[in-house]
Amino acid sequence: AQTVTQSQPEMSVQEAETVTLSCTYDTSENNYYLFWYKQPPSRQMILVIRQEAYKQQNATENRFSVNFQKAAKSFSLKISDSQLGDTAMYFCAFASTFGNEKLTFGTGTRLTIIP
Amino acid sequence: DTEVTQTPKHLVMGMTNKKSLKCEQHMGHRAMYWYKQKAKKPPELMFVYSYEKLSINESVPSRFSPECPNSSLLNLHLHALQPEDSALYLCASSQLFGTPRDSGYTFGSGTRLTVV
Repeated sequence: AQTVTQSQPEMSVQEAETVTLSCTYDTSENNYYLFWYKQPPSRQMILVIRQEAYKQQNATENRFSVNFQKAAKSFSLKISDSQLGDTAMYFCAFASTFGNEKLTFGTGTRLTIIP
Repeated sequence: DTEVTQTPKHLVMGMTNKKSLKCEQHMGHRAMYWYKQKAKKPPELMFVYSYEKLSINESVPSRFSPECPNSSLLNLHLHALQPEDSALYLCASSQLFGTPRDSGYTFGSGTRLTVV
């Protein structure tokens, strides 16, 4: 079974600074998908960024980028020029490409952007 | 349309009531999901439907009964719930991996359920 670990329960950073959220996972599969989801107080789960394991190039979406280290099974999220609207719970998640479509979440990191 | 719509947004029900949660998507996704989320915890998978057939039941108590009437709709029927079932119930949909335009999972905004 796959597991996803987020070791930082809470983080805070000043507005406009850069912050990195950590995520490690465990799997015996060679191909899979990794995601970062954002859940603000409005509770909507919003996809931030997505990485396919067979793609070596790190995914980027505007101010959001990942550092994907497949051998180390690490998938960290970097948020540049942080904004107040980035305040939310961030979940790292794993999905297999085989069999079922189950999405496995980490325990989450609560990120607060300080004005 | 790139949304998953859930109704109602809030629901309060007694332990003897019967109610239903509804979820709708029009993105052509062929997999749909129910998740349960307690406060400050990650979502926990309850059920998965693939091509309108139940493919995963994560040992959910029978007081929760899912239904997928067609490829766009997903219901969760509730009966004889307990106070500990109070939570945020999230619906999600996805294109099946390996099919064109697979874009991950899209979540609805959830139904906040309180059992009294």
